[in-house]
Amino acid sequence: EVQLVESGGGLVQPGGSLRLSCAASGFIFSNYDMHWVRQTPGKRLEWVSTVDSAGDTYYPASVKGRFTSSRENVKNSLYLQMNNLRPGDTAVYYCARRWLYGMDVWGLGTTVTVSS
Amino acid sequence: IVLTQSPDTLSLSPGERATLSCRASQIISSSYLAWYQQKPGQAPRLLIYGASTRAAAIPDRFSGSGSGTDFTLTINRLEPEDFAVYYCQQYGGSPSLTFGGGTKVEIK
Repeated sequence: EVQLVESGGGLVQPGGSLRLSCAASGFIFSNYDMHWVRQTPGKRLEWVSTVDSAGDTYYPASVKGRFTSSRENVKNSLYLQMNNLRPGDTAVYYCARRWLYGMDVWGLGTTVTVSS
Repeated sequence: IVLTQSPDTLSLSPGERATLSCRASQIISSSYLAWYQQKPGQAPRLLIYGASTRAAAIPDRFSGSGSGTDFTLTINRLEPEDFAVYYCQQYGGSPSLTFGGGTKVEIK
């Protein structure tokens, strides 16, 4: 079964850091570009990062310089290192597999809350 | 690129047709437009990619159309399980991705 499972979310103070993980199974992980997408408390979906199959990374301006994504193909894992967190980063964070120009497999998400 | 979805909420009865709109702030390639369904407590599910191609296992009552800046998701003969929130998404250069704000299809 094709599956993505996120972990690592939690409560963190503003300015703090958190590292999310996404474990992939059921497909050849190294062949796929992978995305991080978050959903805000208002239910808005926001793109956070893309790691392509070569390991190159891409970010929107809202997180560039604070978030770093990476992958470890031998472990079938995707990571998101989040530094200098802000209350506006509070969201459910999903990892998702790229399919052409969409995302065909999503994890269940992990919740990040940034609050003092 | 900003995606604007309308209406915010669509109140319909089972068996009716739902027509959801997604308008882009500039012309985008049809290849780069996708639609998702999300139910409470679940992750989004890919319905349509390339503006009109159904994803695997998606029933044929779901169809996508459009080009340029105007795209439409149509759900024929709404089933009880179709009441959910629907999002459009575009894939831009660099890459960059944006989502619309969503349309909630609720039972009337």
